[in-house]
Amino acid sequence: EAQVTQNPRYLITVTGKKLTVTCSQNMNHEYMSWYRQDPGLGLRQIYYSMNVEVTDKGDVPEGYKVSRKEKRNFPLILESPSPNQTSLYFCASSLGSGEQFFGPGTRLTVL
Amino acid sequence: QQPVQSPQAVILREGEDAVINCSSSKALYSVHWYRQKHGEAPVFLMILLKGGEQKGHEKISASFNEKKQQSSLYLTASQLSYSGTYFCGTEITPNFGNEKLTFGTGTRLTIIP
Repeated sequence: EAQVTQNPRYLITVTGKKLTVTCSQNMNHEYMSWYRQDPGLGLRQIYYSMNVEVTDKGDVPEGYKVSRKEKRNFPLILESPSPNQTSLYFCASSLGSGEQFFGPGTRLTVL
Repeated sequence: QQPVQSPQAVILREGEDAVINCSSSKALYSVHWYRQKHGEAPVFLMILLKGGEQKGHEKISASFNEKKQQSSLYLTASQLSYSGTYFCGTEITPNFGNEKLTFGTGTRLTIIP
């Protein structure tokens, strides 16, 4: 089944404790993105990647890092999480023809 | 800058029509529409490209007015399954892969029997 998977789905952590949210797609898509979704603010892009080892900042990259060492994986790293990073995070991938496929989301709470 | 969607929320009875608007302050290359049901991930509906015509998806269609830098999503004879939050995503340059999509804040559509 073609899909984008994210792990974990739910995470509660404390300020300053490094964490990684994994994202993997099995559709051989070149393009992958990370978004955060907050009430009233819609979906805001954090980082995106056009191919292996090619990444760039989206609209809200502060406090986040990404890497793209393999085509299928695009992890999101929070080196020192803060409460304002409490949010719902979505990973998405696309082939380039228009449609983005979203993962199920990761709900992160930073205390 | 995020595109502006209107209305922010709308409640309809089953069978009624709705229009959701998406406006940008910048010239657009494409507009993408997604629907997100409560607790789920956004799902792609359609994409409209600069110079393209109005497109349709079942009873949901959309138009793209390049001069006005806006797009409208039309839902006709709405069904209960249409409930959800609708997002437009705008692209100002033709980046293949849509890696630079900027989404609006969403329009919450509620269909009641």
